[in-house]
Amino acid sequence: QVQLVQSGPEVKKPGSSVKVSCQASGDTFNNFGFNWVRQAPGQGLEWMGGIFPMFGSVFYAQNFQGRVTISADDSTSTAYMELRSLRSEDAALYYCARERGDMGAFDIWGQGTMVSVSS
Amino acid sequence: IVLTQSPATLSLSPGERATLSCRASQTVTTYLAWYQQKPGQAPRLLIYDTSKRATGIPARFSGSGSGTDFTLTISSLEPEDFAVYYCHQRSNWPTFGQGTRLDIK
Repeated sequence: QVQLVQSGPEVKKPGSSVKVSCQASGDTFNNFGFNWVRQAPGQGLEWMGGIFPMFGSVFYAQNFQGRVTISADDSTSTAYMELRSLRSEDAALYYCARERGDMGAFDIWGQGTMVSVSS
Repeated sequence: IVLTQSPATLSLSPGERATLSCRASQTVTTYLAWYQQKPGQAPRLLIYDTSKRATGIPARFSGSGSGTDFTLTISSLEPEDFAVYYCHQRSNWPTFGQGTRLDIK
């Protein structure tokens, strides 16, 4: 069964960094793109960026440019998202989502990782 | 591309037909999708490429539209359909609509 399993919840201080992992199983990792989408409490979905490991291509949303790094390790079928200089408004649920190029949609989602930011 | 969904909230009864709208600020040339999200759950892909149902999605869900105007229709609401729905475009940098909450009347 295809699934994405994300790392556990994080509690961080303002100004620090967080790195969230997303391990894929059940399908060939390099055949897909992996995107990161966040959802603040009670709010909608916000795309942060994505990576296509096969092509070595990484894309970032303008809102996060310079503060986020997305990477992938195909030896462990794991994608990563690191967000730096955390502020209170970064407290949110962070999802990884698999993208199929032929669908142009995010067909499989991880369970989400809650990141709390508090001094 | 900014996606604007309407209405923000839709209150209907089981068995009724639901029509959700998604309007884009520019032409979406390819890849308009719809997701369903229930409380405490990750979003689930319903429709991709405007009108194609994802695996396991019931036939009561259908998508249509082109250009800047897109619609998700649920032909006859089941109790499990009451949730938040998001549209999503992949024509260029991915963006999501702000969501439509479908409530039980």
